[in-house]
Amino acid sequence: GENVEQHPSTLSVQEGDSAVIKCTYSDSASNYFPWYKQELGKRPQLIIDIRSNVGEKKDQRIAVTLNKTAKHFSLHITETQPEDSAVYFCAASKGGGSEKLVFGKGTKLTVNP
Amino acid sequence: SAVISQKPSRDICQRGTSLTIQCQVDSQVTMMFWYRQQPGQSLTLIATANQGSEATYESGFVIDKFPISRPNLTFSTLTVSNMSPEDSSIYLCSVEGRGGGPLNEQFFGPGTRLTVL
Repeated sequence: GENVEQHPSTLSVQEGDSAVIKCTYSDSASNYFPWYKQELGKRPQLIIDIRSNVGEKKDQRIAVTLNKTAKHFSLHITETQPEDSAVYFCAASKGGGSEKLVFGKGTKLTVNP
Repeated sequence: SAVISQKPSRDICQRGTSLTIQCQVDSQVTMMFWYRQQPGQSLTLIATANQGSEATYESGFVIDKFPISRPNLTFSTLTVSNMSPEDSSIYLCSVEGRGGGPLNEQFFGPGTRLTVL
């Protein structure tokens, strides 16, 4: 079955710097890759996703890139702010509806003021 | 956007008892899923709740321990049976196909924090 590896497990940056979180997946049939942000005591929230027919997607300060050949995808956060501090999870799915998500182990991001 | 609610939000239970967690969505959804998230850990899928048929369980999870119901397109329950302290965790439901949105996008309920003594 699918296996998703996520790195780093913790990341500390200064406010205004960029943060990059990387994930690799094992199943070449996976074609949907969401990212979730989970603040302490809150539910995971979908912040951005990418499908295998595109290589990059941006939403304001957040971007995700996908390299299907290498089977890895990354989350990029620019101009980080203290409110970006949270645990971020990547996931992979075969798509097509009704397919389960397999999650990475998470990255705890701390943005220092 | 659709609202996903869970009841109870938290509970403290005695070992050997059972707890039923409810997940309610205010619009029809295609799929509903149940996850477990242990403290400081990632999300682990327990099962997919299929409307009108038995749930599909992931490896390591069985129906006798985690019976699931899905009577309609807006509601599901997860029961944690014969609980032990190892079942202490956060249980989350998620939904896909909310309001006819893009396939695969999953949105989570607020979670149920379960402590078993």
